[in-house]
Amino acid sequence: GAVVSQHPSRVICKSGTSVKIECRSLDFQATTMFWYRQFPKQSLMLMATSNEGSKATYEQGVEKDKFLINHASLTLSTLTVTSAHPEDSSFYICSAPRGTAEAFFGQGTRLTVV
Amino acid sequence: GENVEQHPSTLSVQEGDSAVIKCTYSDSASNYFPWYKQELGKRPQLIIDIRSNVGEKKDQRIAVTLNKTAKHFSLHITETQPEDSAVYFCAAAPPGGSYIPTFGRGTSLIVHP
Repeated sequence: GAVVSQHPSRVICKSGTSVKIECRSLDFQATTMFWYRQFPKQSLMLMATSNEGSKATYEQGVEKDKFLINHASLTLSTLTVTSAHPEDSSFYICSAPRGTAEAFFGQGTRLTVV
Repeated sequence: GENVEQHPSTLSVQEGDSAVIKCTYSDSASNYFPWYKQELGKRPQLIIDIRSNVGEKKDQRIAVTLNKTAKHFSLHITETQPEDSAVYFCAAAPPGGSYIPTFGRGTSLIVHP
């Protein structure tokens, strides 16, 4: 079946530094990918929609300069958390839909900012 | 936009019992309703889905029902097992070329041995 791979699975960084998270669709092309943030015991909150070859679409309340998204190819989208702060610590997860059917999720990235 | 409500937030059952999780949605244009199971610290996994052209779908111990008129759909798990313990999310997605699901808040299912 379709697989979406996300890296890294865990990252610890210092306040003020930037962290890049990669999301790859391994056996299908994804013109669109989604980035979610998930707090403990809470649902998946859509942060932005990553569009191959064009600018990402951000949800209301999500700072585009804080969470930089690049969708450089049909199989890769990256999320960069810039100038990270402890409040950015969370579980970030990407997904890629295959056509109009199910969306496949990456493994998720546990970000801890110290 | 779409709004998905999911209940209950927590569900505790004994092994062998049935579990039912219910969701409602607001956008009558939504036509795809997947259910995901998420174990702690892992990615959500699709367990079953239903489209608006059918009212019920079953896969072994799992079934989903859809009432388009009332705009609600439910997940039914029969003969629950401890390994069914996880957080379950419903979602609703509109038609079109870009699948953007709206997720419910999740139900933490605990199956006691």
